[in-house]
Amino acid sequence: ETGVTQTPRHLVMGMTNKKSLKCEQHLGHNAMYWYKQSAKKPLELMFVYNFKEQTENNSVPSRFSPECPNSSHLFLHLHTLQPEDSALYLCASSQGELAAQETQYFGPGTRLLVL
Amino acid sequence: AQTVTQSQPEMSVQEAETVTLSCTYDTSESNYYLFWYKQPPSRQMILVIRQEAYKQQNATENRFSVNFQKAAKSFSLKISDSQLGDTAMYFCAFMKLLNNNNDMRFGAGTRLTVKP
Repeated sequence: ETGVTQTPRHLVMGMTNKKSLKCEQHLGHNAMYWYKQSAKKPLELMFVYNFKEQTENNSVPSRFSPECPNSSHLFLHLHTLQPEDSALYLCASSQGELAAQETQYFGPGTRLLVL
Repeated sequence: AQTVTQSQPEMSVQEAETVTLSCTYDTSESNYYLFWYKQPPSRQMILVIRQEAYKQQNATENRFSVNFQKAAKSFSLKISDSQLGDTAMYFCAFMKLLNNNNDMRFGAGTRLTVKP
């Protein structure tokens, strides 16, 4: 285990539903990330939080809404998703600002299916 | 923009043999980091090895080593004495060396199967 947990591990939702993904890290890190892993595509960075402040938003549609209430927890709120949003959503954390010199620790992911 | 290419979608190797996974990248930066991550089936992604671009010496972690060719923008991973537990997806990744820049770019991955 890497010290990063994600719930739920699997989620099926309709296009009109609202759901949230949760990530928690027990490593004392200050930076947290959301990635999208689609089949046969590279991992895509979605959002980055440093010290609870969002520092990256890679042109993610507004139907994805992140929330970082403290440095240990990260949420991804989902609403009116599309079938093409079905993917594995990975959370990661790292120590802090100079992330290029630090290891990112990944959670197990939430497998999302949008019907 | 930085791109990372892994040209081998799938590879296999016999247990105890050596295998090399390829990775090339495109960047105009001179300072950056390169990573290999391993994602076992239904398990969490973990860092295998990391290379700083300004270091000429190739990084090594036990049975894992890299061949970093900066001029050629190549970063291959060699796994020696392959074990069944090495079966996984392997992702090559690139990150610029800038303060407060957390943008890591990944390749599409190589699925490695170690056969008994």
